[in-house]
Amino acid sequence: EAGVAQSPRYKIIEKRQSVAFWCNPISGHATLYWYQQILGQGPKLLIQFQNNGVVDDSQLPKDRFSAERLKGVDSTLKIQPAKLEDSAVYLCASNIRQQVLYNEQFFGPGTRLTVL
Amino acid sequence: RKEVEQDPGPFNVPEGATVAFNCTYSNSASQSFFWYRQDCRKEPKLLMSVYSSGNEDGRFTAQLNRASQYISLLIRDSKLSDSATYLCVVNMETGGFKTIFGAGTRLFVKA
Repeated sequence: EAGVAQSPRYKIIEKRQSVAFWCNPISGHATLYWYQQILGQGPKLLIQFQNNGVVDDSQLPKDRFSAERLKGVDSTLKIQPAKLEDSAVYLCASNIRQQVLYNEQFFGPGTRLTVL
Repeated sequence: RKEVEQDPGPFNVPEGATVAFNCTYSNSASQSFFWYRQDCRKEPKLLMSVYSSGNEDGRFTAQLNRASQYISLLIRDSKLSDSATYLCVVNMETGGFKTIFGAGTRLFVKA
């Protein structure tokens, strides 16, 4: 079974530039998550989708971050404009729809973003 | 106060040692609990779910104490390959669904 795919794996940009990350969850997984993991910290949930609808985006800095999952499958996370403090690993995860609370999340390899 | 707090670590132990990690959570509406393992520069992977009755998987034992709002992970007979960061995860539904990860506890097992 193919895992969660993410691209690019690494990205280096200058502050105030824009960047986009892509995620393709495991086939059949209706729930998709984007996390930000700063070095030395645990992952912080940015946004959760159920199919193509947003379930929770309370921790997404909406002035600069946006995310979409138009067809309920793959998803894009964008940062515009980037700040130095956005340097982190951006992790995408998915799990099956039923009983989301009790099911394992499967993570992709992440995108390591460096903002200079 | 953080919603999920873990032992700060790092823990440095010799092979064969028993090591225990603790995690406390602040929201009594928390409903499900997990331990994930994260190797250096890799993604987190589920180690085990945590149930009220406690559960064991080989050398790993997880316990949940809802009254005191903490969970624990015990690793017996540590192996070099157990070296990793262990993340405590709490899920809750309070008007909306929320997943909170702890900051992680780093474990180094040495020969």
